[in-house]
Amino acid sequence: DTGVSQNPRHKITKRGQNVTFRCDPISEHNRLYWYRQTLGQGPEFLTYFQNEAQLEKSRLLSDRFSAERPKGSFSTLEIQRTEQGDSAMYLCASSFEQGVDNQPQHFGDGTRLSIL
Amino acid sequence: GQQVMQIPQYQHVQEGEDFTTYCNSSTTLSNIQWYKQRPGGHPVFLIQLVKSGEVKKQKRLTFQFGEAKKNSSLHITATQTTDVGTYFCAGTNTNAGKSTFGDGTTLTVKP
Repeated sequence: DTGVSQNPRHKITKRGQNVTFRCDPISEHNRLYWYRQTLGQGPEFLTYFQNEAQLEKSRLLSDRFSAERPKGSFSTLEIQRTEQGDSAMYLCASSFEQGVDNQPQHFGDGTRLSIL
Repeated sequence: GQQVMQIPQYQHVQEGEDFTTYCNSSTTLSNIQWYKQRPGGHPVFLIQLVKSGEVKKQKRLTFQFGEAKKNSSLHITATQTTDVGTYFCAGTNTNAGKSTFGDGTTLTVKP
């Protein structure tokens, strides 16, 4: 069990460019979450998957954001036409859900996005 | 939508003093989780509370879930420098659904 892995660790790009982040969850985990975190705030929910199905997407998320988990394993988060306000830490978390209670989420180290 | 609020935002204590952070939800929760995030690190799961009025202890940490399942607290007895970090609560109001995180309480401990 190597934990949740996120790549890249840092991404610096110019405004208007597209960026893609990757998350590799803990292998037996069926649920995968994406969050965004800015300084002084808690993780803000973006979307989550149960296996390959995207079950919920935050209403705060614009259509520039898209996430996929094609085979129910790794996931990608893409931001198109990046804006200054997209600068943040993007966190991925995974868990193994098998009942009605939420299970602990295991977080990766995040991808820090800086928009110039 | 659901809102989760934490107070205080910051707490500075002398080593050995106690510390408490409070979490309040705008809606009734099915469960609440607590996480700790060290400076430069990612959130790490501490505990989950599910039952109304539940109290759980982990060494010097005591977690409580309110009777109405709308509030929770984390109390640390005799803080140590290793306790520094930001403590987040995360509430879920639908079973097996997404969690809403509070903005955390950042604890600093002066040796």
